Amino acid sequence: DTAVSQTPKYLVTQMGNDKSIKCEQNLGHDTMYWYKQDSKKFLKIMFSYNNKELIINETVPNRFSPKSPDKAHLNLHINSLELGDSAVYFCASSQASRRPNTEAFFGQGTRLTVV
Amino acid sequence: GQQVMQIPQYQHVQEGEDFTTYCNSSTTLSNIQWYKQRPGGHPVFLIQLVKSGEVKKQKRLTFQFGEAKKNSSLHITATQTTDVGTYFCAGRLNQGGKLIFGQGTELSVKP
Repeated sequence: DTAVSQTPKYLVTQMGNDKSIKCEQNLGHDTMYWYKQDSKKFLKIMFSYNNKELIINETVPNRFSPKSPDKAHLNLHINSLELGDSAVYFCASSQASRRPNTEAFFGQGTRLTVV
Repeated sequence: GQQVMQIPQYQHVQEGEDFTTYCNSSTTLSNIQWYKQRPGGHPVFLIQLVKSGEVKKQKRLTFQFGEAKKNSSLHITATQTTDVGTYFCAGRLNQGGKLIFGQGTELSVKP
């Protein structure tokens, strides 16, 4: 069973479109994250949610809007896609409330290509 | 903002050679984690170091946390082709703080 699952795995879309990436974790974790990995493999945190509450919101264009309907899900919606949004987006989760320094479990990633 | 620098960016070795990647922070870290990402894969947690001067081993991998808790290293003895991938360090400034990832070191191993 996949612990952190993201869909879709690949997403190719035109500039200006709106798209969503879904993430679900079955680990019972209370904290979920979105990371962006650029072409140079640099991993940067975008958002973090703890029990459905936004706790980290890095300097990310407001075209990116995370939504957490419950603590097992964290979706990422992107409006008006731009070429520079092309990257691999990773969802991750951890049990941060009980174990603040615990490791993060990553999903398999969504490779977004904007053409 | 706070950065965690990691070097080298790339390392190509012959199978059987050793490999080391280094991580440096300008600020004292609360703890540091190491992840491995296979080509086309996702980061997978390897280990966490918390104490000053801590050394941990996992088979051929040795992880160190500096005395000042500002640097860390991962050393692989006698690399194998299965070691191929990108190794990331990720540090926290304080307990429960966000993970700040280094740029990663991409290891390739020639058989």
